[in-house]
Amino acid sequence: NAGVTQTPKFRVLKTGQSMTLLCAQDMNHEYMYWYRQDPGMGLRLIHYSVGEGTTAKGEVPDGYNVSRLKKQNFLLGLESAAPSQTSVYFCAAGPSGLPNTEAFFGQGTRLTVV
Amino acid sequence: AQKVTQAQTEISVVEKEDVTLDCVYETRDTTYYLFWYKQPPSGELVFLIRRNSFDEQNEISGRYSWNFQKSTSSFNFTITASQVVDSAVYFCALSEAQNTGKLIFGQGTTLQVKP
Repeated sequence: NAGVTQTPKFRVLKTGQSMTLLCAQDMNHEYMYWYRQDPGMGLRLIHYSVGEGTTAKGEVPDGYNVSRLKKQNFLLGLESAAPSQTSVYFCAAGPSGLPNTEAFFGQGTRLTVV
Repeated sequence: AQKVTQAQTEISVVEKEDVTLDCVYETRDTTYYLFWYKQPPSGELVFLIRRNSFDEQNEISGRYSWNFQKSTSSFNFTITASQVVDSAVYFCALSEAQNTGKLIFGQGTTLQVKP
């Protein structure tokens, strides 16, 4: 049981390049999330989805787009990468939106934009 | 607005010492949920505990214990007899009560346990 898998694990981009981060879950969870982790700031929510075909903005959505075409996948896109997007990105998946359920996190993607 | 504050940026202890990590939260919701996560040097996030706002009982799990006090809006985490393997970044988080499952994280506390 892989849980939540993020692809790739590491990536270096040049400013202005685009890329897509893939989050795949095999737990049939409805809710999926993308967070970014920056030193001294904890994790901040970028976008989330409460079900297939739905997406919503989180705390820091600017510069990112997401799609949830299939229930098991949640894609995070950077159309034109900027150095400020250098961060560690975490995907999470949860069985429902009820706050009393834990979210399951992927192992993270370390992205560097030069 | 909801907020989680972990005022301790870094803590260093010697093995076998007890250590308490502080977490203070702000929320207007009457129903909410609090979490602790551990992030070891390998980078993954490890779920430690979840507590809802209606359950103020302290919880103990092995060397770990949690003290939830609504009166002071705190959810502190104590490691008894710390070990080198406890060295990690620890995050406290708050979940909204709006059925979205979104987590609001504190800044994290880096714990270093020296042998």
